[in-house]
Amino acid sequence: DADVTQTPRNRITKTGKRIMLECSQTKGHDRMYWYRQDPGLGLRLIYYSFDVKDINKGEISDGYSVSRQAQAKFSLSLESAIPNQTALYFCATSDPGGGGTNEQFFGPGTRLTVL
Amino acid sequence: GENVEQHPSTLSVQEGDSAVIKCTYSDSASNYFPWYKQELGKRPQLIIDIRSNVGEKKDQRIAVTLNKTAKHFSLHITETQPEDSAVYFCAASLNTGTASKLTFGTGTRLQVTL
Repeated sequence: DADVTQTPRNRITKTGKRIMLECSQTKGHDRMYWYRQDPGLGLRLIYYSFDVKDINKGEISDGYSVSRQAQAKFSLSLESAIPNQTALYFCATSDPGGGGTNEQFFGPGTRLTVL
Repeated sequence: GENVEQHPSTLSVQEGDSAVIKCTYSDSASNYFPWYKQELGKRPQLIIDIRSNVGEKKDQRIAVTLNKTAKHFSLHITETQPEDSAVYFCAASLNTGTASKLTFGTGTRLQVTL
């Protein structure tokens, strides 16, 4: 089945380290998103990309950067990790299609802990 | 930008009872309102959505209502079952051909007790 995958699934790192989270999808979708989930705060958009040449900041992009290497790959980087970036990170994809519903399909998540 | 508020943050109901989760949004241009369910340790998944040209939509035990004038929408779950226990997120977006990103509410943890 077509799916969205994320690597790693869990990561513990130290303050100041550079971290890359990777997302791959076999759904053939053009649109990809990175969210972080914190208890009580819901899902907050970090960056999104509507095609390989399109990168947009979301509501909480400070401290993060992204790279869209191909239609199927969208990576999130933390250049210098800090403890308040400890969170569950989700990648998602969507394809507006004919109905334009913009259903988003989420990956399994990456749990990141910054010590 | 869009702001979505969701209430309550936690909800406990007995099996067989109904559950209602409410959301308000700020941008009157928003035209697409999905609901996602996230079971413990799992990824969020779409369970139902509604577009602004419709006032109500049902899918078996789940229904969503939309009041565009008041800018609020609600999720209704009838005859709740233990497998309905999860965190539910509402979201809103302006869905056009070139721009469609979701703004999520903060989530409601629903617990269905036996």
